[in-house]
Amino acid sequence: NAGVTQTPKFRVLKTGQSMTLLCAQDMNHEYMYWYRQDPGMGLRLIHYSVGEGTTAKGEVPDGYNVSRLKKQNFLLGLESAAPSQTSVYFCASSYSSQGARNEQFFGPGTRLTVL
Amino acid sequence: GNSVTQMEGPVTLSEEAFLTINCTYTATGYPSLFWYVQYPGEGLQLLLKATKADDKGSNKGFEATYRKETTSFHLEKGSVQVSDSAVYFCALANTGFQKLVFGTGTRLLVSP
Repeated sequence: NAGVTQTPKFRVLKTGQSMTLLCAQDMNHEYMYWYRQDPGMGLRLIHYSVGEGTTAKGEVPDGYNVSRLKKQNFLLGLESAAPSQTSVYFCASSYSSQGARNEQFFGPGTRLTVL
Repeated sequence: GNSVTQMEGPVTLSEEAFLTINCTYTATGYPSLFWYVQYPGEGLQLLLKATKADDKGSNKGFEATYRKETTSFHLEKGSVQVSDSAVYFCALANTGFQKLVFGTGTRLLVSP
């Protein structure tokens, strides 16, 4: 049981390049989330998904797209990277949104630098 | 809107010292409150949570009590260890869909 995994762990991009971050979970969770973590700002929600085939915008969605084609995977895409997207990206998942099974489990993070 | 305010760090303590990390919140309704911990190079892990006023969450010797009258959820531990060195995040989730709102994090450094 690997929990939540993220690939890659590190990446350096040039401005304007594109890339996709992959998140995978093996806990059969319905809900998945992408956050970014910036110094002095805590974690901010980018996009989330409440089930296979669904996605929704979070607090800071601009410049990102997501897809949830399979229940276990949640992809975060940057179509044209900008230096402002330099950050650490965390994926999380949870079984439900409320009650006793709403705990979010986090992946180890992806450190992205955009030059 | 919803927000969480944490004390700035780093908090530097000697082993076996008493720990308090302050957290206050602003929210509509009756949010659930959480403390997450991030060890170096890792993702966040849920440390404890409380879902209603006067609830006390506890785990691994850490405790926090949901105080609605002071809108606070301070984290405490009676005797810290070197292994407790990490960044601690206070967070809230309002009723309905559980979108977490995080504080900025407080780094704890414990020396032997």
